[in-house]
Amino acid sequence: AQSVTQPDIHITVSEGASLELRCNYSYGATPYLFWYVQSPGQGLQLLLKYFSGDTLVQGIKGFEAEFKRSQSSFNLRKPSVQWSDAAEYFCAVGAGNDMRFGAGTRLTVKP
Amino acid sequence: GAGVSQSPRYKVAKRGQDVALRCDPISGHVSLFWYQQALGQGPEFLTYFQNEAQLDKSGLPSDRFFAERPEGSVSTLKIQRTQQEDSAVYLCASSPLRGGSDGYTFGSGTRLTVV
Repeated sequence: AQSVTQPDIHITVSEGASLELRCNYSYGATPYLFWYVQSPGQGLQLLLKYFSGDTLVQGIKGFEAEFKRSQSSFNLRKPSVQWSDAAEYFCAVGAGNDMRFGAGTRLTVKP
Repeated sequence: GAGVSQSPRYKVAKRGQDVALRCDPISGHVSLFWYQQALGQGPEFLTYFQNEAQLDKSGLPSDRFFAERPEGSVSTLKIQRTQQEDSAVYLCASSPLRGGSDGYTFGSGTRLTVV
């Protein structure tokens, strides 16, 4: 059965520091992989997606993610976090209309 | 419209009451999805429409949940005889592609509280 695991429930980083949010998945075939961000009281916004090809994908707001098939991972990174990046981040995996979301990682940014 | 619009933003229902949640997707989007997001959790799939056809309703938790999209645009999620465990944020998402494999555009959700 397909599943998504985000091991970190809550992460705190200082403004200007680098960030890596972890995502591991279990899927029967090569999946489509996504990262979404959710600010309080808002819906989810698509940050980036991976379908095939180059395993390092660039997204909006300076985020990137790397697909590692051997580790079944799709970790999200940002070299320098801004205060405005504080939000909930969700990894999702799926193909077609079968999309599964992780439980999310809440990011707090310290000044 | 410019984005996915959901109404109402907040709904408080007494236990046993029926509720109807509306989703107005981006114009022309073929695929429409409903998700349920419990507090502190990721979204859980409820149902999927391709135009007016409901192709997958495997995530609906009980027969008290019903969704429709009669003209292939606006969709309504109806919950009958609401229970406390139905309290959650209900998210609607749409995609221009069949199956939504290119990622979704989400609405801001309806927060349902059953008291």
